[in-house]
Amino acid sequence: NSKVIQTPRYLVKGQGQKAKMRCIPEKGHPVVFWYQQNKNNEFKFLINFQNQEVLQQIDMTEKRFSAECPSNSPCSLEIQSSEAGDSALYLCASSRDWGVATGQLYFGEGSKLTVL
Amino acid sequence: AQRVTQVQPTGSSQWGEEVTLDCSYETSEYFYRIFWYRQLFSGEMVFLIYQPSFDTQNQRSGRYSVVFQKSFKSISLVISASQPEDSGTYFCALSEPLAQGLTFGLGTRVSVFP
Repeated sequence: NSKVIQTPRYLVKGQGQKAKMRCIPEKGHPVVFWYQQNKNNEFKFLINFQNQEVLQQIDMTEKRFSAECPSNSPCSLEIQSSEAGDSALYLCASSRDWGVATGQLYFGEGSKLTVL
Repeated sequence: AQRVTQVQPTGSSQWGEEVTLDCSYETSEYFYRIFWYRQLFSGEMVFLIYQPSFDTQNQRSGRYSVVFQKSFKSISLVISASQPEDSGTYFCALSEPLAQGLTFGLGTRVSVFP
């Protein structure tokens, strides 16, 4: 069973609404990734953190996406104003390391967002 | 263009048969890793096995093994004695230095029938 905990499992939002997803990484893993997986199985990297600091991020889709990993709190990914094209499975993954070569990623079950 | 290519979108097998899934990739790095994951119907990605580029020996883990052809930049996942619980979508993923995590293929959906 996954030790990366993602909540909620499902979100249904109307266009323009906020959508917020949370992730608790596996204990002892300082690196956290967020991916978007669309219905065609395409994985899109969104952002990664090492502890609370952003390592890399894409141009966060016209600034509608924001993410943080505060200390002693779950990491979160928020879409400020949801669009139909944001409908996807959002996967959080954690890792012991990053850099020379990313090690094994441990994934949560994902948060499935449907934007009506 | 896809940097990780899985040409078989679907596959099927009978219980007990061997299943081979193919993957090819593009990289200019000397040091990299190839991972295989199975995605369950719940969405969870389960790690199966990985192959480091510097290791010429094909990796094995339980019923999973790989056939690594480094010069062709291809790698196959072999599942021996397949079981219905092996059904799911299998993803090949490339890990390179300082990259944005893993680069995934589009997956191969496998069904194992009793």
